[in-house]
Amino acid sequence: AQTVTQSQPEMSVQEAETVTLSCTYDTSESDYYLFWYKQPPSRQMILVIRQEAYKQQNATENRFSVNFQKAAKSFSLKISDSQLGDAAMYFCAHILITQGGSEKLVFGKGTKLTVNP
Amino acid sequence: EPEVTQTPSHQVTQMGQEVILRCVPISNHLYFYWYRQILGQKVEFLVSFYNNEISEKSEIFDDQFSVERPDGSNFTLKIRSTKLEDSAMYFCASRPNRGGQPQHFGDGTRLSIL
Repeated sequence: AQTVTQSQPEMSVQEAETVTLSCTYDTSESDYYLFWYKQPPSRQMILVIRQEAYKQQNATENRFSVNFQKAAKSFSLKISDSQLGDAAMYFCAHILITQGGSEKLVFGKGTKLTVNP
Repeated sequence: EPEVTQTPSHQVTQMGQEVILRCVPISNHLYFYWYRQILGQKVEFLVSFYNNEISEKSEIFDDQFSVERPDGSNFTLKIRSTKLEDSAMYFCASRPNRGGQPQHFGDGTRLSIL
């Protein structure tokens, strides 16, 4: 079964500091996609960053970057210069190709990030 | 930027009643999804929909659930006879045709069953 594991239920960081959220996943596919989604208290699901497994280069989006280690099946999210607005639940997700040929997202349990002023 | 919109934002329903959750996906997207998030838990896949039919459904998506795209823009999730355990946040998502593209989520409908 394809699984996504986030081992840190909660993390905290000081404003302006850097924090790394961990994620590991399990897949038998050679080509796949990984995502980080952010869910603030308003409970929207907001895409943070996307990584294509065949690309060696780690994805970056402004203050957000990933450390993608394909062999280790690890996909951590680094948030630099943390801001109060970064406080949210962060979900790591993996695309699973279903038997019907569709794609569905498999989510981890999430990491609650607190940003301290 | 185009968005997925969901209505209502909050629905309160008596147990046993039917409820319809509505979604308007992004207009050029072809794949549509419903996910569920019980309070404090992770987001779970319910169903995917493509070319006017269900392409995949989870074990959660039993006979009480149905989806429909009645008019080419709306995408609805119907729960025929709600149970207490159906209380959750329901997210609609859509994506374009190309594989591996991120799914864009609506703001969700909070469903409360009394």
